[in-house]
Amino acid sequence: KAGVTQTPRYLIKTRGQQVTLSCSPISGHRSVSWYQQTPGQGLQFLFEYFSETQRNKGNFPGRFSGRQFSNSRSEMNVSTLELGDSALYLCASSLAPGGQGGEQYFGPGTRLTVT
Amino acid sequence: AQSVTQLDSQVPVFEEAPVELRCNYSSSVSVYLFWYVQYPNQGLQLLLKYLSGSTLVKGINGFEAEFNKSQTSFHLRKPSVHISDTAEYFCAVSDQGPGGFKTIFGAGTRLFVKA
Repeated sequence: KAGVTQTPRYLIKTRGQQVTLSCSPISGHRSVSWYQQTPGQGLQFLFEYFSETQRNKGNFPGRFSGRQFSNSRSEMNVSTLELGDSALYLCASSLAPGGQGGEQYFGPGTRLTVT
Repeated sequence: AQSVTQLDSQVPVFEEAPVELRCNYSSSVSVYLFWYVQYPNQGLQLLLKYLSGSTLVKGINGFEAEFNKSQTSFHLRKPSVHISDTAEYFCAVSDQGPGGFKTIFGAGTRLFVKA
């Protein structure tokens, strides 16, 4: 079974630009969660999608948005990029929403650098 | 709201020595507990999980953890560490709140294994 894939793996953008990151979950998994990881803040929850609906959202500004398609693939968009958005963005999939007692499976992440 | 505290941000230890990484969570009726490991430039992978049953849980790579309900702790242990265990370790808790199940991660503990 293929794991969680994220594209692209690395990205360099300029302040003010926007970016779209993609995540393909493990086959059969309908829940996709996004996290931002930075050295100072650790692993912070962005949002979770289950069956194309956003279930939970973390404490991030509206510049961060996401969506999920009918095949469970998910995209995350960040508009008007700021230097502080430089981070590793991790996607995780699970069978049930919120993990529901089961583990999450993580992709390798997309390293975003904003200059 | 659920919270997870990893009491040590960094733990240096010599090779072949034992190690304990500490994790405490805020009280809840029932929770599911996880430890994940992240190697450099990779996503997180599951080390072990506690869903129910025996409070001593064994995971991959010789790690184990003990669920202590009265102390709301889930400490991770390994009797003899390898250089290859150098990584960041995350404790996570999944429980059911008003919006359904949600998984919360601790800030992480960086384990340095020295020769």
